[in-house]
Amino acid sequence: GEDVEQSLFLSVREGDSSVINCTYTDSSSTYLYWYKQEPGAGLQLLTYIFSNMDMKQDQRLTVLLNKKDKHLSLRIADTQTGDSAIYFCATRRDTGRRALTFGSGTRLQVQP
Amino acid sequence: EAGVVQSPRYKIIEKKQPVAFWCNPISGHNTLYWYLQNLGQGPELLIRYENEEAVDDSQLPKDRFSAERLKGVDSTLKIQPAELGDSAVYLCASSLGGGKAEAFFGQGTRLTVV
Repeated sequence: GEDVEQSLFLSVREGDSSVINCTYTDSSSTYLYWYKQEPGAGLQLLTYIFSNMDMKQDQRLTVLLNKKDKHLSLRIADTQTGDSAIYFCATRRDTGRRALTFGSGTRLQVQP
Repeated sequence: EAGVVQSPRYKIIEKKQPVAFWCNPISGHNTLYWYLQNLGQGPELLIRYENEEAVDDSQLPKDRFSAERLKGVDSTLKIQPAELGDSAVYLCASSLGGGKAEAFFGQGTRLTVV
Protein backbone atom coordinates (compact mmCIF):
# COMPACT_ATOMS: atom_id res chain seq x y z
CA GLY A 1 0.00 0.00 0.00
CA GLU A 2 0.91 3.64 -0.02
CA ASP A 3 3.35 4.77 2.64
CA VAL A 4 4.77 8.15 3.60
CA GLU A 5 7.68 8.38 6.05
CA GLN A 6 9.03 11.35 7.97
CA SER A 7 11.54 11.82 10.74
CA LEU A 8 9.91 12.56 14.09
CA PHE A 9 11.72 15.63 15.33
CA LEU A 10 13.88 18.53 14.20
CA SER A 11 15.36 21.28 16.36
CA VAL A 12 16.88 24.46 14.92
CA ARG A 13 17.92 27.85 16.18
CA GLU A 14 15.98 30.96 15.26
CA GLY A 15 17.29 32.49 12.05
CA ASP A 16 18.71 29.22 10.73
CA SER A 17 17.23 27.25 7.85
CA SER A 18 15.13 24.15 8.55
CA VAL A 19 14.92 21.19 6.21
CA ILE A 20 12.19 18.63 6.75
CA ASN A 21 12.40 15.44 4.74
CA CYS A 22 9.83 12.93 3.52
CA THR A 23 9.94 9.74 1.50
CA TYR A 24 6.99 8.04 -0.14
CA THR A 25 6.33 4.81 -1.95
CA ASP A 26 3.48 5.56 -4.37
CA SER A 27 5.07 6.26 -7.74
CA SER A 28 1.65 7.34 -9.06
CA SER A 29 1.52 10.34 -6.73
CA THR A 30 0.58 13.40 -8.75
CA TYR A 31 0.53 16.02 -6.01
CA LEU A 32 2.78 16.29 -2.99
CA TYR A 33 1.85 18.55 -0.11
CA TRP A 34 3.20 20.14 3.02
CA TYR A 35 0.79 20.96 5.84
CA LYS A 36 1.46 22.68 9.16
CA GLN A 37 -0.38 21.85 12.37
CA GLU A 38 -0.14 23.96 15.50
CA PRO A 39 -1.34 22.62 18.88
CA GLY A 40 -5.08 22.13 19.01
CA ALA A 41 -5.57 23.32 15.44
CA GLY A 42 -6.43 21.78 12.11
CA LEU A 43 -4.02 21.38 9.24
CA GLN A 44 -2.92 24.46 7.34
CA LEU A 45 -1.93 23.96 3.72
CA LEU A 46 1.52 25.50 3.24
CA THR A 47 2.33 24.52 -0.31
CA TYR A 48 2.15 21.70 -2.81
CA ILE A 49 4.06 20.61 -5.89
CA PHE A 50 3.11 18.70 -9.01
CA SER A 51 5.05 15.53 -9.65
CA ASN A 52 6.37 16.91 -12.96
CA MET A 53 8.19 19.72 -11.10
CA ASP A 54 11.41 19.41 -9.15
CA MET A 55 11.30 22.67 -7.23
CA LYS A 56 8.83 25.24 -6.03
CA GLN A 57 9.59 28.38 -4.06
CA ASP A 58 7.08 30.45 -2.13
CA GLN A 59 8.54 33.23 0.01
CA ARG A 60 10.51 31.50 2.81
CA LEU A 61 9.45 28.03 1.69
CA THR A 62 11.28 25.90 -0.87
CA VAL A 63 10.02 22.48 -1.86
CA LEU A 64 12.36 20.05 -3.58
CA LEU A 65 11.15 16.86 -5.24
CA ASN A 66 13.37 13.98 -6.33
CA LYS A 67 10.87 11.80 -8.14
CA LYS A 68 13.39 9.09 -8.93
CA ASP A 69 14.17 8.57 -5.24
CA LYS A 70 10.60 9.44 -4.13
CA HIS A 71 11.99 12.08 -1.79
CA LEU A 72 10.36 15.38 -0.90
CA SER A 73 11.80 18.12 1.27
CA LEU A 74 10.62 21.41 2.71
CA ARG A 75 13.15 24.11 3.44
CA ILE A 76 12.13 27.01 5.66
CA ALA A 77 14.52 29.95 5.40
CA ASP A 78 15.15 32.26 8.37
CA THR A 79 13.15 30.03 10.72
CA GLN A 80 11.14 31.88 13.36
CA THR A 81 9.70 30.76 16.69
CA GLY A 82 6.26 30.97 15.09
CA ASP A 83 7.31 28.18 12.74
CA SER A 84 7.35 25.74 15.67
CA ALA A 85 4.68 23.17 14.81
CA ILE A 86 4.20 19.71 13.34
CA TYR A 87 4.74 19.47 9.61
CA PHE A 88 3.00 16.79 7.59
CA CYS A 89 3.98 15.52 4.17
CA ALA A 90 1.13 14.10 2.06
CA THR A 91 0.70 12.60 -1.39
CA ARG A 92 -2.27 12.25 -3.71
CA ARG A 93 -2.99 10.55 -7.00
CA ASP A 94 -4.90 12.26 -9.78
CA THR A 95 -6.88 9.13 -10.68
CA GLY A 96 -8.51 6.37 -8.72
CA ARG A 97 -8.09 6.82 -4.99
CA ARG A 98 -7.71 10.59 -4.79
CA ALA A 99 -7.49 10.94 -1.02
CA LEU A 100 -4.40 12.40 0.61
CA THR A 101 -2.03 9.95 2.29
CA PHE A 102 -0.15 11.51 5.19
CA GLY A 103 3.08 10.82 7.00
CA SER A 104 3.20 10.82 10.80
CA GLY A 105 4.53 14.36 10.95
CA THR A 106 7.79 16.04 11.93
CA ARG A 107 7.79 18.20 15.03
CA LEU A 108 9.87 21.32 14.41
CA GLN A 109 11.18 23.07 17.50
CA VAL A 110 12.71 26.51 17.02
CA GLN A 111 14.96 27.66 19.81
CA PRO A 112 15.42 31.40 20.42
CA GLU B 1 -14.19 33.62 2.57
CA ALA B 2 -15.07 31.22 5.37
CA GLY B 3 -12.98 28.10 5.66
CA VAL B 4 -14.14 24.60 6.50
CA VAL B 5 -16.33 24.79 9.59
CA GLN B 6 -16.67 21.91 12.01
CA SER B 7 -18.70 21.51 15.17
CA PRO B 8 -18.47 20.82 17.97
CA ARG B 9 -14.79 21.56 18.68
CA TYR B 10 -14.75 19.23 21.66
CA LYS B 11 -16.97 16.37 22.76
CA ILE B 12 -16.77 14.12 25.80
CA ILE B 13 -19.10 11.13 25.94
CA GLU B 14 -19.38 7.87 27.82
CA LYS B 15 -18.65 4.66 25.97
CA LYS B 16 -21.59 3.05 24.22
CA GLN B 17 -23.23 6.43 23.66
CA PRO B 18 -23.81 7.85 20.16
CA VAL B 19 -22.05 10.96 18.88
CA ALA B 20 -22.29 13.07 15.73
CA PHE B 21 -19.94 15.56 14.09
CA TRP B 22 -20.91 18.18 11.56
CA CYS B 23 -18.91 19.74 8.74
CA ASN B 24 -19.67 22.63 6.40
CA PRO B 25 -17.14 22.72 3.54
CA ILE B 26 -15.91 25.77 1.67
CA SER B 27 -18.63 27.07 -0.64
CA GLY B 28 -18.46 25.47 -4.06
CA HIS B 29 -16.21 22.60 -2.99
CA ASN B 30 -17.57 19.37 -4.41
CA THR B 31 -15.16 17.02 -2.66
CA LEU B 32 -15.46 16.44 1.06
CA TYR B 33 -13.26 14.22 3.23
CA TRP B 34 -13.51 12.92 6.76
CA TYR B 35 -10.20 12.01 8.37
CA LEU B 36 -9.32 10.49 11.72
CA GLN B 37 -6.20 11.68 13.52
CA ASN B 38 -4.90 9.69 16.47
CA LEU B 39 -2.47 11.30 18.88
CA GLY B 40 1.00 11.56 17.39
CA GLN B 41 -0.13 10.32 13.99
CA GLY B 42 -1.01 11.76 10.63
CA PRO B 43 -4.63 11.89 9.47
CA GLU B 44 -6.12 8.74 7.99
CA LEU B 45 -9.01 8.79 5.53
CA LEU B 46 -12.40 7.56 6.70
CA ILE B 47 -14.56 8.57 3.74
CA ARG B 48 -14.47 10.78 0.65
CA TYR B 49 -17.49 12.32 -1.06
CA GLU B 50 -17.82 13.68 -4.56
CA ASN B 51 -20.96 15.80 -4.26
CA GLU B 52 -23.43 13.57 -2.43
CA GLU B 53 -21.84 10.29 -3.47
CA ALA B 54 -19.49 8.40 -1.15
CA VAL B 55 -16.78 7.33 -3.63
CA ASP B 56 -14.25 5.95 -1.13
CA ASP B 57 -15.48 4.54 2.17
CA SER B 58 -13.24 1.49 2.33
CA GLN B 59 -11.62 2.67 5.59
CA LEU B 60 -14.88 3.50 7.37
CA PRO B 61 -15.74 0.94 10.11
CA LYS B 62 -19.28 0.44 8.95
CA ASP B 63 -20.40 -1.55 11.96
CA ARG B 64 -20.43 1.60 14.09
CA PHE B 65 -19.60 4.55 11.82
CA SER B 66 -21.90 6.18 9.31
CA ALA B 67 -21.76 9.35 7.27
CA GLU B 68 -24.05 11.32 5.04
CA ARG B 69 -23.91 14.29 2.72
CA LEU B 70 -27.50 14.51 1.61
CA LYS B 71 -27.50 17.67 -0.52
CA GLY B 72 -23.88 17.57 -1.52
CA VAL B 73 -22.95 20.40 0.82
CA ASP B 74 -22.56 19.84 4.54
CA SER B 75 -21.92 16.44 6.04
CA THR B 76 -22.46 14.52 9.26
CA LEU B 77 -20.30 11.72 10.66
CA LYS B 78 -21.86 9.50 13.31
CA ILE B 79 -20.51 6.88 15.69
CA GLN B 80 -22.93 4.52 17.41
CA PRO B 81 -22.00 3.12 19.84
CA ALA B 82 -18.73 4.86 20.69
CA GLU B 83 -15.82 2.86 22.09
CA LEU B 84 -12.83 4.01 24.15
CA GLY B 85 -10.57 3.54 21.13
CA ASP B 86 -12.57 6.10 19.14
CA SER B 87 -11.00 8.92 21.15
CA ALA B 88 -9.23 11.01 18.52
CA VAL B 89 -9.53 14.16 16.44
CA TYR B 90 -11.99 13.97 13.55
CA LEU B 91 -11.02 16.27 10.71
CA CYS B 92 -13.10 17.40 7.77
CA ALA B 93 -11.53 18.72 4.58
CA SER B 94 -12.81 19.96 1.25
CA SER B 95 -11.52 20.67 -2.22
CA LEU B 96 -12.95 21.92 -5.49
CA GLY B 97 -12.73 18.49 -7.06
CA GLY B 98 -12.22 17.94 -10.74
CA GLY B 99 -8.56 17.28 -10.11
CA LYS B 100 -7.91 20.58 -8.32
CA ALA B 101 -5.03 20.08 -5.96
CA GLU B 102 -5.71 22.17 -2.85
CA ALA B 103 -7.48 20.49 0.07
CA PHE B 104 -8.38 22.63 3.07
CA PHE B 105 -9.01 21.36 6.57
CA GLY B 106 -11.31 22.44 9.35
CA GLN B 107 -10.24 22.84 12.97
CA GLY B 108 -11.37 19.33 13.85
CA THR B 109 -13.50 17.84 16.58
CA ARG B 110 -11.63 16.33 19.50
CA LEU B 111 -13.59 13.34 20.81
CA THR B 112 -12.92 11.86 24.23
CA VAL B 113 -14.72 8.64 25.12
CA VAL B 114 -14.68 7.81 28.84
